[in-house]
Amino acid sequence: DVKVTQSSRYLVKRTGEKVFLECVQDMDHENMFWYRQDPGLGLRLIYFSYDVKMKEKGDIPEGYSVSREKKERFSLILESASTNQTSMYLCASSSPDFYNSPLHFGNGTRLTVT
Amino acid sequence: QQQVKQSPQSLIVQKGGISIINCAYENTAFDYFPWYQQFPGKGPALLIAIRPDVSEKKEGRFTISFNKSAKQFSLHIMDSQPGDSATYFCAASGEEYGNKLVFGAGTILRVKS
Repeated sequence: DVKVTQSSRYLVKRTGEKVFLECVQDMDHENMFWYRQDPGLGLRLIYFSYDVKMKEKGDIPEGYSVSREKKERFSLILESASTNQTSMYLCASSSPDFYNSPLHFGNGTRLTVT
Repeated sequence: QQQVKQSPQSLIVQKGGISIINCAYENTAFDYFPWYQQFPGKGPALLIAIRPDVSEKKEGRFTISFNKSAKQFSLHIMDSQPGDSATYFCAASGEEYGNKLVFGAGTILRVKS
């Protein structure tokens, strides 16, 4: 079974702090994604990566950056956390065979910024 | 701009009943329509998916109905069970979107026993 592991289940940070959310997958997937989940808004794509050191902006990249130095690891960085970034963050991975390879999600990190 | 509109926001169904969740999309370039199921405390997981070359796909108690001309698709859960209580997301994508899915807002389903 594909396993996508997010390093923290809950995280509480203060406004202005730099925050790192870590994600590791064990299936050698090329593609990795960071989504944000908010009630009534569904899942919104923040950033994604097709390969090591490659990244592309999703729909809501403002205030975020990412890092992919190794194939299995994809990090989301909040350069200066703000209260409107309080949310559930979901990491996912998939193979390039888009139509036959589903997204495999981690269990999420609930971030609270106070 | 919401590219995939999902309704209802929440749904309560009696055990044994039929749950129906609807989605509508605008972009005719979309050609892949999956549904994801999310239980509390877990990430979403693929439930069932359809391509527009068929109008219906069934897997067990779960059926996707697809109406290309109306740009709508729906999830039907037959004989709904309390274990089906979860949040359901429809999504859409296409080749021009690469490997990115556009998700609907989600439907919280509660099946009463």
